[in-house]
Amino acid sequence: AAGVIQSPRHLIKEKRETATLKCYPIPRHDTVYWYQQGPGQDPQFLISFYEKMQSDKGSIPDRFSAQQFSDYHSELNMSSLELGDSALYFCASSSPKWIYNEQFFGPGTRLTVL
Amino acid sequence: GQQLNQSPQSMFIQEGEDVSMNCTSSSIFNTWLWYKQDPGEGPVLLIALYKAGELTSNGRLTAQFGITRKDSFLNISASIPSDVGIYFCAGRAAFASKLTFGTGTRLQVTL
Repeated sequence: AAGVIQSPRHLIKEKRETATLKCYPIPRHDTVYWYQQGPGQDPQFLISFYEKMQSDKGSIPDRFSAQQFSDYHSELNMSSLELGDSALYFCASSSPKWIYNEQFFGPGTRLTVL
Repeated sequence: GQQLNQSPQSMFIQEGEDVSMNCTSSSIFNTWLWYKQDPGEGPVLLIALYKAGELTSNGRLTAQFGITRKDSFLNISASIPSDVGIYFCAGRAAFASKLTFGTGTRLQVTL
């Protein structure tokens, strides 16, 4: 079965640079979620989109922005990168059956800020 | 904010043993999910629970949604080496889309 696709899988950036992470949800899934996972930590919710509209917002820095496009893929844009932004970034998607909200995660993007 | 306490933090068990871990919350959740994560990979959904008191199995895994809606547990029977990994509980509150994750249980299985 098709899974969530994330690109790139690995990204190395310098401080103060920008980065764009992409997420392609499972076909027919209309909701995407972004999570950040630091070393040895549990995933922390950043932001989510339902039908291209922001649906929920967590602890996402103002330096980060995200959007969902008409084909339901999503991009997380990160500017003025800091060392503390180094983490695994996961995208998850869920189906239109809102009540069930089973979120399926992608393989993640490992961002390293030097 | 909501906090999910997961225990134990880590477990070392022998192959064939049963495993039990649980999550407790300071607030109510409408959905409980259990995930397994291998190093550097994304969490993989194991079991989803939607009703208080619900008991659900997936092969050797059994999970329950606590009656108070503030806790959940996961049992793994007859553990095998490929069960090694980090297990996370995750809860979703009413009218929220985000998941709040537990602190994780690291499972190691010895032969």
